[in-house]
Amino acid sequence: DVKVTQSSRYLVKRTGEKVFLECVQDMDHENMFWYRQDPGLGLRLIYFSYDVKMKEKGDIPEGYSVSREKKERFSLILESASTNQTSMYLCASILAAGGVSGYTFGSGTRLTVV
Amino acid sequence: AQSVTQPDIHITVSEGASLELRCNYSYGATPYLFWYVQSPGQGLQLLLKYFSGDTLVQGIKGFEAEFKRSQSSFNLRKPSVHWSDAAEYFCADSNFGNEKLTFGTGTRLTIIP
Repeated sequence: DVKVTQSSRYLVKRTGEKVFLECVQDMDHENMFWYRQDPGLGLRLIYFSYDVKMKEKGDIPEGYSVSREKKERFSLILESASTNQTSMYLCASILAAGGVSGYTFGSGTRLTVV
Repeated sequence: AQSVTQPDIHITVSEGASLELRCNYSYGATPYLFWYVQSPGQGLQLLLKYFSGDTLVQGIKGFEAEFKRSQSSFNLRKPSVHWSDAAEYFCADSNFGNEKLTFGTGTRLTIIP
């Protein structure tokens, strides 16, 4: 089975800190995504990447950046964490060919910014 | 812009009763539709997906969904719910099945004895 691993299950960071959320997938998927999940808002796309060193903004990119130096790893960066970035962050991946393989999600990182 | 609507924020159902969760999508040409379930504190698990073909799709855990193009709907059903079905359910849509997913806001399901 495809596995998407998010390095931390829970994180607590201080306002103004630079925060790195890591996501690694083990099945050679080209496409990777970062979502944040908030009650009543569902999942909203922050950034996505279709290839190494490629990135595209999603619906709510402000305050975030991403890095994809290797195919298997997609990092989300909070340049200067703020309390309104307290949320659950979910990473996902899928083959570029898409279709029946479906998307695979990590188990999420719950980030609290104090 | 692509959008997915789940009109029910919270549904309460008795154990053993039938269930239907509603989902409407806005992007017309070739919808790729998904239902995911999220148990408390967990990630998302795929229940089922529709790409083409038979409009009644069977998924895991006894769930099924029916795609109705005329109503732009993809409602999730289960004939008899179990206490373990209590969770949050998300409907999602994707262009061509491999691009970004657009999610609905979710429906929280509570099961009462």
